[in-house]
Parts: sequence; structure tokens; C-alpha cells
Amino acid sequence: GEDVEQSLFLSVREGDSSVINCTYTDSSSTYLYWYKQEPGAGLQLLTYIFSNMDMKQDQRLTVLLNKKDKHLSLRIADTQTGDSAIYFCAESLSGYSTLTFGKGTMLLVSP
Amino acid sequence: DTAVSQTPKYLVTQMGNDKSIKCEQNLGHDTMYWYKQDSKKFLKIMFSYNNKELIINETVPNRFSPKSPDKAHLNLHINSLELGDSAVYFCASSQVVLHYYNEQFFGPGTRLTVL
Repeated sequence: GEDVEQSLFLSVREGDSSVINCTYTDSSSTYLYWYKQEPGAGLQLLTYIFSNMDMKQDQRLTVLLNKKDKHLSLRIADTQTGDSAIYFCAESLSGYSTLTFGKGTMLLVSP
Repeated sequence: DTAVSQTPKYLVTQMGNDKSIKCEQNLGHDTMYWYKQDSKKFLKIMFSYNNKELIINETVPNRFSPKSPDKAHLNLHINSLELGDSAVYFCASSQVVLHYYNEQFFGPGTRLTVL
């Protein structure tokens, strides 16, 4: 069955790098996503990676995918207080139109 | 223009009442969803509709009934509300394209409090 796991909490100082990790169990994942949820708001897609890629970089964001270990990570460089939010990892599977979300990692950035 | 909108944003009601939450998307997407987010922020899919037809119905009490009058709307009606129904409900929409890329666009959420 499909399952997506994340650590629940990460605290960093402003200017440091943040790394949020995610593991998934279903090897038929086609796309993997990172969503961001700011307080009192809905989720918003931050970035995604296709399953045949190992890495994707988008400005301060770097996504790494290790298919062998079924491990996905999101690195945020030069973390700012505005990055404080909950980050959800999600996967879409071949043949399904839904996403499976992890439980979310709360990132707290202190000045 | 708001892409996915929900009304109301806050809903406070007594146990046993019936209430509805409305969702509209102006993105032209063919698939819409309802999610429940509990107090621990865990997000769980409830329903998924594709072109007005139900395609996913997770283990949700039958007190919850989605209704899709057209592709742009997916409303959620809840009968006989219980304390455990208190949560934030999110509507989302997407257009699933080639290779199953599925970027979902979320509404702002409806915070339901059952007293």
C-alpha cells in the first residue's frame, strides 16, 4: 500500500539551510511534490520532480530523489522567516488521479 | 481572480445540525476533491470527482455527501454533525495530464467547529 512519511518538526535559524525529508513506499510513483501551507491558508505547490530525475533546482529550492531508497528531500537555502510553514510531501501513482500526502513537516525559522 | 474558492471560511454550529460547504473553481479543471485536515494538520482525502462523477470515496461516514452540479462546483453536505467533525475542510481541483502529473490547487479552507 502507499504510505508517505515525514518528520513532524524542524527548527532552523534565519540564513541557515533547511532540509526536509520524506520517504515513500510505492515504487510506482510517477511524480513527487512538495506543497507549502502557510498559517490559515490552503496548500500551494512549491515544486515537483518526475520520478526519472535525481535532482531539480529552482532558485533557493533543491529537490533530491533517491529512488532506490524511496527518499525525497527538499533543501531550502538561506532560509527566511517567511519560509516558516508546514511542508507536505506528496506522490501521484500511475493509474490514479489522486495524491497521497505525508503528515507534513512544520518548519520554524527563528531570527 | 480566486482560482478555488470556498464558502464559508468559518462555520460554527451545534451537534446534530446539517450544514453545507460550497466550493467553486474557475480553472477549467475536470477533477475536484475534498480533504479533511485535523488538529494535528494531517490531511486526508475524502472524495474525488471527475467530470461530475464520483471516483474516490474514502472511508467517510455516509453523513457526508458530496454534490457536483457541474464541473466547476463540488459542494459538501454534512448531516447530523458530530464533535469529531470539527476540522478544516479543503477543496481542491486539478487537471490530470500526461504521465499523471497532478498539480492540485487548493481553496483557502473552511474551519468547521461543532459545539
